[in-house]
Parts: sequence; structure tokens; C-alpha cells
Amino acid sequence: GAVVSQHPSWVICKSGTSVKIECRSLDFQATTMFWYRQFPKQSLMLMATSNEGSKATYEQGVEKDKFLINHASLTLSTLTVTSAHPEDSSFYICSARDRYEQYFGPGTRLTVT
Amino acid sequence: AQKVTQAQTEISVVEKEDVTLDCVYETRDTTYYLFWYKQPPSGELVFLIRRNSFDEQNEISGRYSWNFQKSTSSFNFTITASQVVDSAVYFCALWSAGNQFYFGTGTSLTVIP
Repeated sequence: GAVVSQHPSWVICKSGTSVKIECRSLDFQATTMFWYRQFPKQSLMLMATSNEGSKATYEQGVEKDKFLINHASLTLSTLTVTSAHPEDSSFYICSARDRYEQYFGPGTRLTVT
Repeated sequence: AQKVTQAQTEISVVEKEDVTLDCVYETRDTTYYLFWYKQPPSGELVFLIRRNSFDEQNEISGRYSWNFQKSTSSFNFTITASQVVDSAVYFCALWSAGNQFYFGTGTSLTVIP
């Protein structure tokens, strides 16, 4: 099946710094990419949806200036957590969709100290 | 509105017992897809099954089986002869024309050796 990769798989950063997470579709072109956040023992919550070359659509309650999403190509989307704080510590999962299916990445565990 | 309910938050079974994970969904769409994913401690979502709304046939894959009943809006998942490796969080999800996934809150399964 299709593969979605994320980099890094885990990252620790200091409060106030920014961190970028990459999501790549390795063997297909993703018309749409999605970013989810999952807090411990909770479900996946959709943060935003992005189409290549367009601005991302953010879910209610997600700060677009804090979580910058760039979908620069059909195989790459990035999520930048700006001025990270400990409450941003979470598991971030990207997902990529081609015409028929949606595939999930392995996730990135972010810890903000 | 789309909604997925997994009423069982945590389940513990002894190895070799059978266990059923419940999933109830809500949607007004006539075309939709239902999924089950396994999330082991590593965090990566593992795809288990997809069913479309027009196919109510039950499915069996090894020790796994799924019971889809539109009359009760349920899509239950049974593991037969459970094993320790089955310990994980299991998510039921709905995807419809709204073009996004709706995840249940997950059921944490612990199989005790």
C-alpha cells in the first residue's frame, strides 16, 4: 500500500522555540493532506486540511498563526509549531489522500520542555 | 452530523478469550465508509478494515471478524482467541462525503497472559 512518512518521529524542544514537522507521500501524489493531533489517551483530532498550493483550512479552535501549514507540493506538507509551549506537547499525525484512499503517517511525538 | 461512539473505554481479557469491541456510528449520508484501526504503543495507526455502506456482509480475517449492521448503525469488531500482541488501542472511524475522517474515542484493549 501507499506510504506516508513523517520526520522527525520525535522531537524535544524548549518552550518558545519553533519546530517543523514534515509529512511526505512516498509513492503517490497527495491531492489533500491532513494534520491531526492526539493527546494521551484521547482520540485523533483534525487540526487542518490542506490542498497543494492553497492555504490550509483550519478546524475551529486551532490557531492558524501558531500552527503554520505549508503544502508546497503534491508530496510534501509541513507543520510548523511556532513559539511552542508545554501544552503543545502531543502526538501529531499527518495523513495524505490520493483520489481514492487516505493514508496515515507514523506520527511525530513532540515534547516541549 | 457525523459521529462515532465507542462506549468501551478500556477492556481487559485473559489470553485466548474472545473479545468484541463495539462501534456505533451516526450519519445522514447514504454513501460512507467505516474503518477499524489499531494503534499499538508505538503510535502508528495500523489499518485493519474498510467497509462501504452498501456492503453489509460480515468479514473474517484470521482471528479478526467484523459485524456490520446498518439497522443498528453498528460496526463491531471481534478478536477470537486473543493474544498479548493484540493489546493496543482500537479506533473505529467513519468517512463520508464530507471528505474527512470521524474517529471514535478508542477502546484500549489489554490482553493478560
